[in-house]
Amino acid sequence: QSALTQPASVSGSPGQSITFSCTATTSAVGVFSYVSWYQQHPGEAPKLMIYEVSNRPSGVSNRFSGSKSGYTASLTISGLQAEDEAVYYCSSYTNSGTPVVFGGGTKLTVL
Amino acid sequence: QITLKESGPTLVKPTQTLTLTCTFSGFSLSTSGVGVGWIRQPPGKALEWLALIYWDDDKRYSPSLKSRLTITKDTSKNQVVLTMTNMDPVDTATYFCAHMMVPTIAGYWGQGTLVTVSS
Repeated sequence: QSALTQPASVSGSPGQSITFSCTATTSAVGVFSYVSWYQQHPGEAPKLMIYEVSNRPSGVSNRFSGSKSGYTASLTISGLQAEDEAVYYCSSYTNSGTPVVFGGGTKLTVL
Repeated sequence: QITLKESGPTLVKPTQTLTLTCTFSGFSLSTSGVGVGWIRQPPGKALEWLALIYWDDDKRYSPSLKSRLTITKDTSKNQVVLTMTNMDPVDTATYFCAHMMVPTIAGYWGQGTLVTVSS
């Protein structure tokens, strides 16, 4: 079982907003300040979308935003587009023996 | 522009040792705060972090695979090498290397290389 729990799938229609959750099941994530989100299209490498909970790398659309509450981090996509259909992984730093953990990923289907 | 590329065998036999090389450009692994990590992804499954080496030669490994992994860097060649011993069919996966900023932000990824373990 992963230290980060994500729902297996979510779906939404174009133009809608959708939110992904990522819940830490271990206190090793500390205050959960080092959460990252990655987007992965089939056959491609993951792409960093959000880091340190809510920061967007240069070039990432401002339709993507991140937040957290306690041990649950969230990624929100506003104005859903067909190109957003992908698998989204959360990741966190931990202060345990493994400094990096990934969630199981959430597959986004754009209806 | 930061780029990374993985190279190594596409097919290994069970019990063999896998050696993968990550060749990168656009950054130096001697710069404070920089690291290179290895992540793998079995077909149709989730990402799994394997190992990470930082600019100061600090090395971290996945506890479940630690006994089988070794990560090294050659700063002059801009390369990071990962070796994994005693390969098994369950190790069949796409292996990615990634540029990482402390503590564990993987901002740039290689394209990945599929390694199949089969006799």
